[in-house]
Amino acid sequence: DAKTTQPTSMDCAEGRAANLPCNHSTISGNEYVYWYRQIHSQGPQYIIHGLKNNETNEMASLIITEDRKSSTLILPHATLRDTAVYYCIVRVNFYAGGTSYGKLTFGQGTILTVHP
Amino acid sequence: DSGVTQTPKHLITATGQRVTLRCSPRSGDLSVYWYQQSLDQGLQFLIQYYNGEERAKGNILERFSAQQFPDLHSELNLSSLELGDSALYFCASSVARGLGGENEQFFGPGTRLTVL
Repeated sequence: DAKTTQPTSMDCAEGRAANLPCNHSTISGNEYVYWYRQIHSQGPQYIIHGLKNNETNEMASLIITEDRKSSTLILPHATLRDTAVYYCIVRVNFYAGGTSYGKLTFGQGTILTVHP
Repeated sequence: DSGVTQTPKHLITATGQRVTLRCSPRSGDLSVYWYQQSLDQGLQFLIQYYNGEERAKGNILERFSAQQFPDLHSELNLSSLELGDSALYFCASSVARGLGGENEQFFGPGTRLTVL
C-alpha cells in the first residue's frame, strides 16, 4: 500500500470548513483513498473513500487531484464533535475468489482541533 | 454504535499470563480484523479472518493467535504477556460487496489491556 503524508495538526473554528490535506504521490492506479477518524480512544470511524472522482456523503467531501497524488478531506461545517485524529489511507481494494483484501495501514494522522 | 461488540472493555493482568479478547461482528459481516493501538506504534493491523479462514497477517507476534468461529465471532488470544503488550485492541468487521471489494470497516469500542 502507498504511503501517505499528512500534517501533524490543524485547527479550525467551529462552523467553518475544515480542509485536511493528504499527499500520496506513490499511489497506484488500483489504490483507493480512504479517510477514517478516531475520536479520543474510540474505535476508528469510516468517513469516505474514492478512487479518482470527487466524492461526497453526509459527513464530508473528498477531493482527489487529477494526477491522484494528493487529496483533501472537507468537513463543510466543523463542530466541536469533529475534534479527532483524521487518517488518510491508500490501499488496494479488490475482491477475488471469495476473498476481500481489506487491511488498513494507519499512519500518524492529523490531529484536528475545532475551537469554539 | 458501529454494531461491533468487544468484550471485555478493560483487562488488567500480570506478565506471563494469557488472555482472550472477544469480538462479535455486525450482523452479516463475514470479515473480522484485529488491530493493536499502542502509544509508540500507533494503530497496527494484526490479522484478518474471512468466513472462518485466515486471510491476511500483519505484525502479529507468535505469542498471539486468533480464530473465527462458525457463528463468525472471533477471539484473539494473547499469551506469555509482556509489559509492551499493554494497548488498545480493536476489532473491525466488514462484508465484501462483490467486485470492488469492501467499502468500509466498522470498528468496535476496543479492549484496553494493561499488563502489570
